[in-house]
Amino acid sequence: DIKMTQSPSSLSASVGDRVTITCRASQGVRIDLAWYQQKPGEAPERLIYSASRLQSGVPSRFSGSGSGTEFTLTISSLQPEDFATYYCLHCSAYPCAFGQGTKLEIK
Amino acid sequence: EVQLVQSGAEVKHPGESLKISCEASGYSFATYWIGWIRQMPGKGLEWMGIIYPGDSDTKYSPSFQGRVAISVDKSISTAYLQWSSLKASDTAMYYCARHEGVSTPLPDFWGQGTLVTVSS
Repeated sequence: DIKMTQSPSSLSASVGDRVTITCRASQGVRIDLAWYQQKPGEAPERLIYSASRLQSGVPSRFSGSGSGTEFTLTISSLQPEDFATYYCLHCSAYPCAFGQGTKLEIK
Repeated sequence: EVQLVQSGAEVKHPGESLKISCEASGYSFATYWIGWIRQMPGKGLEWMGIIYPGDSDTKYSPSFQGRVAISVDKSISTAYLQWSSLKASDTAMYYCARHEGVSTPLPDFWGQGTLVTVSS
């Protein structure tokens, strides 16, 4: 099975900061990767799919890049509503697998 | 508008059976994979498996194979997640999610979650 490793596990940042979260796959997953945001008590929401395509309605400060085994999610200028937990997910082959999550907290 | 509405919270004893549901609307139910994701208390997301309602083709994560059963009723656009004998370790929030894509479907729309509590 393909394993996904996210880094960092947690991150403290300030409003207006630029932040980057990394996701590494144990084997190549092409661009079959998505990023999700989850706020406490809520269901996850998809931000990015196919590694770099922005989900409709998601602010343009979110962007994704990468292919194969290394991927990044970048938030260009943090807003108060962006403090949440972020997960990557590959579905290149079954079973699909999530990264362990990155909790983004206010500094 | 795509909507996935899940059944309500459940409290069960170990050894009991359970079936939770996810009713879909706003799209062609038979032509999108639909799956289940577990989130144990304070933990991350775990992909459990998916089913294609058109032909009931099902894919399970090895971590959940044999422990749960995923099924659908196309006539009422509803997916199910079922246990025959619950354990305390099944206590978690369970999300259903439509999976978009042909060869490598990824979740796009999610249900609100069903909290399952298993306690003696």
